[in-house]
Amino acid sequence: GAVVSQHPSRVICKSGTSVKIECRSLDFQATTMFWYRQFPKQSLMLMATSNEGSKATYEQGVEKDKFLINHASLTLSTLTVTSAHPEDSSFYICSAPRLAGSHTDTQYFGPGTRLTVL
Amino acid sequence: GQNIDQPTEMTATEGAIVQINCTYQTSGFNGLFWYQQHAGEAPTFLSYNVLDGLEEKGRFSSFLSRSKGYSYLLLKELQMKDSASYLCAVRISNDYKLSFGAGTTVTVRA
Repeated sequence: GAVVSQHPSRVICKSGTSVKIECRSLDFQATTMFWYRQFPKQSLMLMATSNEGSKATYEQGVEKDKFLINHASLTLSTLTVTSAHPEDSSFYICSAPRLAGSHTDTQYFGPGTRLTVL
Repeated sequence: GQNIDQPTEMTATEGAIVQINCTYQTSGFNGLFWYQQHAGEAPTFLSYNVLDGLEEKGRFSSFLSRSKGYSYLLLKELQMKDSASYLCAVRISNDYKLSFGAGTTVTVRA
């Protein structure tokens, strides 16, 4: 079954509004989670690293004031797209590493959130 | 920057074998992942290589050569449901940050 969930799976909003996306690790704790964005027919681009108990770290070119990240607990990270515009329409995916020793580490992805800004 | 290259598209016949190559030049290396992604869905984990050699998991196998900066994913006994995008991703740091290739779209034909 799923080990990382995302909510909502799909959202349509008007330009200028803010949208919050939740990412939860379901049966393990994740001190670190990652947020990716994927445009059609392109690969995943890392936006930021969400750190429990501290500020998120953003990749170059990603506006931290526009994409607010809060890692409130060891199982929950939220991404808020503030003042969304049509160019923010994309597939947003979170991931969480499940650490079990370096040879069996893996990273699980949430099911993704399709954001459409009208 | 990170440079991860894989072919854009591949086509194969049901029951055949396909090999997807991935070459990488990255600032760090802590392992290489292969993911499968169907359209509109999130990637699903296929394999993780951190040591040189071949890892086999049923119909899927993955190979890594760190000295050559090279990996491949081998899909055997192809099925129609294997039609998807396959992503090569390098773990470039200890904090599990991944850098992805552009993905290879595999189309399986009857």
